[in-house]
Amino acid sequence: DTEVTQTPKHLVMGMTNKKSLKCEQHMGHRAMYWYKQKAKKPPELMFVYSYEKLSINESVPSRFSPECPNSSLLNLHLHALQPEDSALYLCASSPSSTGGYGYTFGSGTRLTVV
Amino acid sequence: QKEVEQNSGPLSVPEGAIASLNCTYSDRGSQSFFWYRQYSGKSPELIMSIYSNGDKEDGRFTAQLNKASQYVSLLIRDSQPSDSATYLCAVNMNRDDKIIFGKGTRLHILP
Repeated sequence: DTEVTQTPKHLVMGMTNKKSLKCEQHMGHRAMYWYKQKAKKPPELMFVYSYEKLSINESVPSRFSPECPNSSLLNLHLHALQPEDSALYLCASSPSSTGGYGYTFGSGTRLTVV
Repeated sequence: QKEVEQNSGPLSVPEGAIASLNCTYSDRGSQSFFWYRQYSGKSPELIMSIYSNGDKEDGRFTAQLNKASQYVSLLIRDSQPSDSATYLCAVNMNRDDKIIFGKGTRLHILP
């Protein structure tokens, strides 16, 4: 079992819907990440939270809105997505934001936008 | 210049043989290097990390790092069909706090 839990595992949403992806870790990690992965491509960084503050935003469209309510939780709010946003969304955590210890990934949310 | 490069494969290796996966990186100041295994439709799983020149062994896996050549590799001994997956090389570049992933090498172990 992964120590980073993501819900839901699968999500189908229409282009006018609002939904949220959730991520939780109880390893005491201080950095949390959202990645997007398309088929046969490497993970692509979206956001980095370090000590509950947004430290990196990789020029992600505003239809993706991250939130870090506390050190264990990370949300990704979705609104007015496009079909090309369909992908595997991965949450990860790390003991520090420097990336020097590697990441632990959650199992991901498979998102389909119709 | 691409930052982390891997041969996309597929790399086909007979069962029981040694699989050798290679990766080069562009930032000479990089300090931390990782290998992730990703099965189709699943999330990446960290299998090896290496921080200093030389070899690091963990079970059937050996990671090798040569900072002078900016090269990191992963050897899998006694390859099993369950090793068939995509292997992602990841590097923590010195200039910022991000881990950069290579495009991954697809490994296929032939029974």
